[in-house]
Amino acid sequence: QQQVKQSPQSLIVQKGGISIINCAYENTAFDYFPWYQQFPGKGPALLIAIRPDVSEKKEGRFTISFNKSAKQFSLHIMDSQPGDSATYFCAASMVGYQKVTFGIGTKLQVIP
Amino acid sequence: DAGVTQSPTHLIKTRGQQVTLRCSPISGHKSVSWYQQVLGQGPQFIFQYYEKEERGRGNFPDRFSARQFPNYSSELNVNALLLGDSALYLCASSLDPGGSYEQYFGPGTRLTVT
Repeated sequence: QQQVKQSPQSLIVQKGGISIINCAYENTAFDYFPWYQQFPGKGPALLIAIRPDVSEKKEGRFTISFNKSAKQFSLHIMDSQPGDSATYFCAASMVGYQKVTFGIGTKLQVIP
Repeated sequence: DAGVTQSPTHLIKTRGQQVTLRCSPISGHKSVSWYQQVLGQGPQFIFQYYEKEERGRGNFPDRFSARQFPNYSSELNVNALLLGDSALYLCASSLDPGGSYEQYFGPGTRLTVT
């Protein structure tokens, strides 16, 4: 059972453009939604995270939008740069549990 | 401060063999979790340990086992290796199992089973 569905699986964006990655979850008990960035040969690194009592969170060029009623959340990368080229994972977890359920990942390529 | 460290970096084993992977958490972190990441997929939760006790287990067979030591480092053991066990094994540490959600991942151990 895929509890966190992520799309698209690959994305090509021009430098300076906006990258948008979407995720949907099924388990309403999830209450923490992090996004991870992973470069080849490295472990995932926490990028930004949101809790369901907030509809939007922005950190620099990265913004999470959260729609609790639709059980959807998305990552927007503004002014995308070639250095943003990586695989991005949305994820979800529950209070008291450290198990993080990951999406399938989106391979982002930002071309000059 | 040093991040999460894992050893070895790469490992090649034959079907049926056993393997032990090691993880050292960030200093001060008492919780360690293990994940399996198959190529092209997101990480899948295997185990979580806190204060040397198992706090969670994912949908993995009993061939997978783990333990945590008094210094909070951890080992993941896999017996009777199958070709499908080939993956990147990730260790993540956090301050505690539930109060702080931030997990910090190590670089992983790339296991290849031939």
